[in-house]
Amino acid sequence: DAGVIQSPRHEVTEMGQEVTLRCKPISGHDYLFWYRQTMMRGLELLIYFNNNVPIDDSGMPEDRFSAKMPNASFSTLKIQPSEPRDSAVYFCASSLGYPHEQFFGPGTRLTVL
Amino acid sequence: DAKTTQPTSMDCAEGRAANLPCNHSTISGNEYVYWYRQIHSQGPQYIIHGLKNNETNEMASLIITEDRKSSTLILPHATLRDTAVYYCIVRVYNQAGTALIFGKGTTLSVSS
Repeated sequence: DAGVIQSPRHEVTEMGQEVTLRCKPISGHDYLFWYRQTMMRGLELLIYFNNNVPIDDSGMPEDRFSAKMPNASFSTLKIQPSEPRDSAVYFCASSLGYPHEQFFGPGTRLTVL
Repeated sequence: DAKTTQPTSMDCAEGRAANLPCNHSTISGNEYVYWYRQIHSQGPQYIIHGLKNNETNEMASLIITEDRKSSTLILPHATLRDTAVYYCIVRVYNQAGTALIFGKGTTLSVSS
């Protein structure tokens, strides 16, 4: 199993640009999570999906952030427009059911200049 | 806010047991204790979980006090590859809307 796949691994963009982060969960998993990690705030849950439906997006910082899951094997996190304070590592994780173990991807390091 | 308290950092000699404490004095009866770790630049990795009884798997052991107000993660023979940030998390199992809340964790440094 390839595990959770995220792309790109690194993204450098300029303030005001649109950024799209992508995630492919482990096949068969029905929960998908998006997290953000910064030195100041640590690891924060942004949003999670169950069977492609968003369940809790209370962690999404503001309207500039949006997430979609058009099918069971793909999800995107979009930031439009991006700001320097969005610079962070964004992790995607998936799980089967709502169990004890979430499997995390390698993360996308986003730098907004 | 995280419902657990962990030391900021700990050191351990390679080959010795690493005992990582966690306080969760406000834990509810239906909340599990989870441990994850994050090796530098990687995504968090699940280690172990427990409710009341002590648990052991191929990675570690989890000792939960009888009153469940604290627990200890034990890595029996620490190696350099165990150097990581270790997160202790409490959460209700299988309740929609209750996500994993990661606190600051404990940075474990294993040295030779």
